Amino acid sequence: DGGITQSPKYLFRKEGQNVTLSCEQNLNHDAMYWYRQDPGQGLRLIYYSQIVNDFQKGDIAEGYSVSREKKESFPLTVTSAQKNPTAFYLCASSIMSNTHDTQYFGPGTRLTVL
Amino acid sequence: KNQVEQSPQSLIILEGKNCTLQCNYTVSPFSNLRWYKQDTGRGPVSLTIMTFSENTKSNGRYTATLDADTKQSSLHITASQLSDSASYICVVSPNTNAGKSTFGDGTTLTVKP
Repeated sequence: DGGITQSPKYLFRKEGQNVTLSCEQNLNHDAMYWYRQDPGQGLRLIYYSQIVNDFQKGDIAEGYSVSREKKESFPLTVTSAQKNPTAFYLCASSIMSNTHDTQYFGPGTRLTVL
Repeated sequence: KNQVEQSPQSLIILEGKNCTLQCNYTVSPFSNLRWYKQDTGRGPVSLTIMTFSENTKSNGRYTATLDADTKQSSLHITASQLSDSASYICVVSPNTNAGKSTFGDGTTLTVKP
């Protein structure tokens, strides 16, 4: 069953804690992306990766970190430096980072800071 | 600054009726425009993608149009169904990598019986 998965679906964090959101794809896509979505707002790009062991900052990278050690995995760590981390986080992948390639999105992780 | 503006912000229609959602953009240079459907609490799903030379593209009851001269796009939904209730997002990409795509805030459509 091909697709892109994210876990967990819901995540609760205490202030000051780092948390890592998982994103896995078995579509053999080279490019992967992390977006943040706040109520009533468009998706904002946090980080993206065009190839293994390489990634670039998006528009709102501060307080976040990523790694791309394997083609199929692109975990996102929300650090304590992120001042307002409560949001819906979406991971996506595409064949390449060419804009003509459709991005396939995962089901999302809703992070809540207590 | 690249911008994508969608209207209306929200829309309520009765089942079976048609509706049209609007997307205006200032992204330059332009490569392509996509419409996504996002159900509440789920990830977006691609409906259509159009490049500069395409004026219209259909996907079942969804028809997207593009006027690259005026930088406007519309998504027309025919014979709406309850399952069409969702947020519809317009995404415009420049002629570079996808990391530079600009997302609109979306239009929330509610279809009532």
